[in-house]
Amino acid sequence: DAGITQSPRHKVTETGTPVTLRCHQTENHRYMYWYRQDPGHGLRLIHYSYGVKDTDKGEVSDGYSVSRSKTEDFLLTLESATSSQTSVYFCASLERPGELFFGEGSRLTVL
Amino acid sequence: GESVGLHLPTLSVQEGDNSIINCAYSNSASDYFIWYKQESGKGPQFIIDIRSNMDKRQGQRVTVLLNKTVKHLSLQIAATQPGDSAVYFCAENWGDMRFGAGTRLTVKP
Repeated sequence: DAGITQSPRHKVTETGTPVTLRCHQTENHRYMYWYRQDPGHGLRLIHYSYGVKDTDKGEVSDGYSVSRSKTEDFLLTLESATSSQTSVYFCASLERPGELFFGEGSRLTVL
Repeated sequence: GESVGLHLPTLSVQEGDNSIINCAYSNSASDYFIWYKQESGKGPQFIIDIRSNMDKRQGQRVTVLLNKTVKHLSLQIAATQPGDSAVYFCAENWGDMRFGAGTRLTVKP
């Protein structure tokens, strides 16, 4: 399996604070993704990257930004966290068309 | 916009029986359709995929069927085992990857 790790795995923060989630992969995959998972909504795409410094928005990108300065790292930033951003966040990288490798998830609680 | 959806949110089967999980899609331009399995507390895991120019693909104990006429995708699991208990997602690949809401499969001993 792809080596893909997320940090932190759990975080509790307060409304209005910035939060950064990190995703690190060791497979030299070009494409990387950030999803959020909420009950009743499944996985929803936030942002994705198709190369260093190349990113694009997904279906729920408002309130989030991303950066990819190196192939192996993809950062997700919540500029000013809100309670609606309480969720489990998953990072993934693409091995080949259709086959995503997911991290273990980061559970974020915004109070 | 177009979306991927599932017919049933939950499915309960007896150990040893076959399971069928269904999915409807609406984006006829998608080139890949994929099934993922997510166990509690873990990230989704790739199971099997099928290209849009195929009708059927088999893996180990799993078969995916694609009916483009009615835009329907199904995952069949043969001889379902307790370890198959999980949430199953279908996804379609069209530029990016979009997932359905998931079906929870419970296997009764």
